Amino acid sequence: DTAVSQTPKYLVTQMGNDKSIKCEQNLGHDTMYWYKQDSKKFLKIMFSYNNKELIINETVPNRFSPKSPDKAHLNLHINSLELGDSAVYFCASSPTRNTGELFFGEGSRLTVL
Amino acid sequence: AQSVAQPEDQVNVAEGNPLTVKCTYSVSGNPYLFWYVQYPNRGLQFLLKYITGDNLVKGSYGFEAEFNKSQTSFHLKKPSALVSDSALYFCAVRGANFGNEKLTFGTGTRLTIIP
Repeated sequence: DTAVSQTPKYLVTQMGNDKSIKCEQNLGHDTMYWYKQDSKKFLKIMFSYNNKELIINETVPNRFSPKSPDKAHLNLHINSLELGDSAVYFCASSPTRNTGELFFGEGSRLTVL
Repeated sequence: AQSVAQPEDQVNVAEGNPLTVKCTYSVSGNPYLFWYVQYPNRGLQFLLKYITGDNLVKGSYGFEAEFNKSQTSFHLKKPSALVSDSALYFCAVRGANFGNEKLTFGTGTRLTIIP
């Protein structure tokens, strides 16, 4: 019974396409995150939601749009995909916004051709 | 702005020997410090954290870390390395103040335990 699950696990698409990654957590946590891990394994936060409210919005192109329909779900939609968007995207959750103990999903590897 | 430095990209240790993975940080106010581990093709897993109190914190799989405020360091240690400890390790920091929830990760250190 996966705590933080992401779909799809792998995504291969052409430049210019639009794609979405979905994330669900069954831990009852209040806060969810999207992180991007590049080819050098550098991990950078993109967005964070707390009880469906956006609380962290890093300098991310506006082609990236998160959406949290409820506190158990945080989806990421990406418009007009570019080569530089190729990365592994990790969803994570935490019990509250004040803890740094995050529970990560397995990642979604996006490859843009 | 807060930041984390992991000065070693790669650390090699013989099985059974003690290991240390280094981390230094910069943050406004008091720090909350964390270590995470990532196995190949997996998400990060929480290992341990320092919030307040005893400077030596113990975590999962026999790992521990020592908070040193004067040196702004939070090095990860284990007395006797196992081959299964081979993985990518990330140090992370956030400020203790409410409203400073952003967790900043270091660039990671690849730990290889040699049989």
